Amino acid sequence: DAGVIQSPRHEVTEMGQEVTLRCKPISGHDYLFWYRQTMMRGLELLIYFNNNVPIDDSGMPEDRFSAKMPNASFSTLKIQPSEPRDSAVYFCASSLHETQYFGPGTRLLVL
Amino acid sequence: EDQVTQSPEALRLQEGESSSLNCSYTVSGLRGLFWYRQDPGKGPEFLFTLYSAGEEKEKERLKATLTKKESFLHITAPKPEDSATYLCAVQTSQGGKLIFGQGTELSVKP
Repeated sequence: DAGVIQSPRHEVTEMGQEVTLRCKPISGHDYLFWYRQTMMRGLELLIYFNNNVPIDDSGMPEDRFSAKMPNASFSTLKIQPSEPRDSAVYFCASSLHETQYFGPGTRLLVL
Repeated sequence: EDQVTQSPEALRLQEGESSSLNCSYTVSGLRGLFWYRQDPGKGPEFLFTLYSAGEEKEKERLKATLTKKESFLHITAPKPEDSATYLCAVQTSQGGKLIFGQGTELSVKP
């Protein structure tokens, strides 16, 4: 099992640019989660999907953030326009039952 | 408001020096409590799930226990390779999302 796959692993961009993060969940899992981790705020849930349908997006900080899951094997998290305060590590996780399995994360730096 | 608090924030141990990490929680209804290990530059790695007070689970030098208000992660005779940040999270009866604590950064010196 390849586990949860995220790309890119690192992203450096300039303020105002669009950023797209990608995630491939573990095959057969029906839940997908997007988290953001910073030193100040720890690990925060942004949004999660069940069977490709967004269930709870209350953690999405602003309208600049959007997430999609067009099929069971792919999801994107988009930030447009990006700001320096969006710099963080973004994790994708998937689950079949209660236990969530995390990907390696995307380290985003917005200059 | 649902809340998870971990203590201490950081813990330094000598190899072989046993200790415990604490996770206190306040939730409207507990569905499960999860422990994860996170190494620098990596995603959290699942360790244990506990569902009810009195439950215990073990894995190598780690043992997790659960009461109605807190969970402990006991580390027996730790080794340097146990150095990592340990995260606690709760899933409420509403399901789905996990609420994470801030983590305990464990350092084990040889």
